Amino acid sequence: EIVLTQSPGTLSLSPGERATLSCRASQSVSSSYLAWYQQKPGQAPRLLIYGASSRATGIPDRFSGSGSGTDFTLTISRLEPEDFAVYYCQQYGTSPSFTFGPGTKVDIK
Amino acid sequence: QVQLQESGPGLVKPSQTLSLTCTVSGGSISAGSYYWSWIRQPAGKGLEWIGRIYTSGTTNYNPSLKSRVTISVDTSKNQFSLKLNSVTAADTAVYYCARVIWVHGAFEIWGQGTMVTVSS
Repeated sequence: EIVLTQSPGTLSLSPGERATLSCRASQSVSSSYLAWYQQKPGQAPRLLIYGASSRATGIPDRFSGSGSGTDFTLTISRLEPEDFAVYYCQQYGTSPSFTFGPGTKVDIK
Repeated sequence: QVQLQESGPGLVKPSQTLSLTCTVSGGSISAGSYYWSWIRQPAGKGLEWIGRIYTSGTTNYNPSLKSRVTISVDTSKNQFSLKLNSVTAADTAVYYCARVIWVHGAFEIWGQGTMVTVSS
């Protein structure tokens, strides 16, 4: 099973700043099968990025995804107040299997 | 637009069976290149995939839960369901249903989630 590790665990930033979130896989992941989600308290996760770099419908262009192999990145170019949340990466692999990373919390500094 | 809604008991006794249904509205469960999945999240913790089903009825389950899980689909009702038997307190969680993009394995649309507590 592929294990996803996210860093940092918590990212403390101010509105307007740039956020860079990392997701590392224990084995190579096809870029087609790497996604990112945002979750706010009491809400279901929301798909932000699929296929490592494609934005889901309605997602602002300040969110971008990149990476390949075992290292993937979610970047939020300028944090808006509504962006403070927990972010998860997720991969889809053979078996089949779906695994999520432990999450990165982006909170207000 | 397509929406998903989970329903079922919020309290289940230990050793009994947890049963949830996800109702799909705003579109046919059989339309498009999608399949359907269940995910759970214990309070304050991360997300765990439970299993998936195609509208053909083909299923795949998380190996850690496989012996206890059954997912089924009723296309006539635009619903799919989850059964988890022999539950313990460790199964207490928010349970989500989701639509999955076939090509990318990404959970595109989620239900709001339903809290299930396992307790006597």
